[in-house]
Amino acid sequence: EVQLLESEGGLVQPGGSLRLSCAASGFTFSSYAMNWVRQAPGKGLEWVSGIRISGSRTYYADSVKGRFTISRDDSKSTLYLQVSSLRVDDTAVYYCARALVGATLHAFDMWGPGTMVTVST
Amino acid sequence: QSALTQPPSASGSPGQSVTISCTGTSSDVGTYNFVSWYQQHPGKAPKLMIYEVSKRPSGVPDRFSGSKSGNTASLTVSGLQAEDETDYYCSSYAGSNNLVFGGGTKLTVL
Repeated sequence: EVQLLESEGGLVQPGGSLRLSCAASGFTFSSYAMNWVRQAPGKGLEWVSGIRISGSRTYYADSVKGRFTISRDDSKSTLYLQVSSLRVDDTAVYYCARALVGATLHAFDMWGPGTMVTVST
Repeated sequence: QSALTQPPSASGSPGQSVTISCTGTSSDVGTYNFVSWYQQHPGKAPKLMIYEVSKRPSGVPDRFSGSKSGNTASLTVSGLQAEDETDYYCSSYAGSNNLVFGGGTKLTVL
């Protein structure tokens, strides 16, 4: 089955860290750029980060630059997002999303079910 | 980067057509033909409905169409059906390796 599946998120204290992973199956993971998109409770979608094929380039929203790191392991068909220096406003459902063939940032044709990250004391 | 502007709500009767707007600037929608539209049911992941302004992924009904004029993109849903009632989001490439989303529109089928 063609799918993306994020790891379990969790409750983290402000200033804390967490590593999210996204396991891909059913398609050639190494042939696609990948992204993370988040959605705060009751709010809209926010692009967080993207990574090109082979990890040659990485991109970040200003709101997470310097705090989050995206990476990929094509041998494991897995995407990662290391989130650090977490703030309360980072609380959101985090989705991994596959970019269209030939694209990196502008259209996402497959999404995982999402994982909830809650930043709170 | 500011979010794109969408109306909070839109509505139409079954069988009618409804258009949802997505207004950006000359730095995003106005310059790049990389506008996408996503449908999101409550508690579910978004689904790509339109990409590159007007292209439909395989499996998306042709009742869904997209267009762009200047700094404003639009999603039109024709022949409204009950299952179309949910949230819709637009996005646009904004240059400098950045992507922006709209705030979302809740579509109601009356």
